[in-house]
Amino acid sequence: DIFMTQSPDSLAVSLGERASINCKSSQSLFYSSNNKNYLAWYQQKPGQPPKLLIYWASTRESGVPDRFSGSGSGTDFTLTISSLQAEDVAVYYCQQYYHYPPYTFGQGTKVEI
Amino acid sequence: QLHLQESGPGLVKPSETLSLTCNVSGDSITSTSYYWGWIRQPPGKGLEWIGSIYYSGNTFYDPSLKSRVTMSVDKAKNQFSLKLISVTAADAAVYYCGRQSTSSIHPYYIDVWGKGTRVTVSS
Repeated sequence: DIFMTQSPDSLAVSLGERASINCKSSQSLFYSSNNKNYLAWYQQKPGQPPKLLIYWASTRESGVPDRFSGSGSGTDFTLTISSLQAEDVAVYYCQQYYHYPPYTFGQGTKVEI
Repeated sequence: QLHLQESGPGLVKPSETLSLTCNVSGDSITSTSYYWGWIRQPPGKGLEWIGSIYYSGNTFYDPSLKSRVTMSVDKAKNQFSLKLISVTAADAAVYYCGRQSTSSIHPYYIDVWGKGTRVTVSS
């Protein structure tokens, strides 16, 4: 199995400040044939299902505010919220979909104000 | 607009079978662009992928659950299902169904999620 490790487990950020979440994969998620990294980011608010934010490591899902961005390649990835808003309080998960089965998620990072 | 809705018993006895159905509306389950998956979340914990199925019946299962899991598609009803046999307390979770983008070879990210259904395992 591919292990996905997120850091930190939780972070508190002031409103309007930048929040960065790291995700490290135990194996590379980069496929050279199509030049893509097989990594997604999800946001889960309390009592709600997860919501797709980013796929292919850096492609923002339609309707997702542009303050959310994804970066990285290979085994190291970052989700950045450029200016934290109150509605961004949630748990964030990364997920790899390159090495399967199983598809694996990170343990989650809780973002608070 | 695509909508996924899980349904099934909220309480299952230990050693019995958990059966859930995901009804798909707003899209055809026979779309060649998607797999259909099940993901669960134990109380207070993270997300666990269970398995995915294509409209043709092709499946991928988590190896740790493979001996207990069966997924199926009902094209006439536009729904797909999950069966998990011999459940234990460790199978208690919120179960989500989801749509997974695909190249038609293997599933990718989950772009639409159902609201989830809570399953308790208790006698």
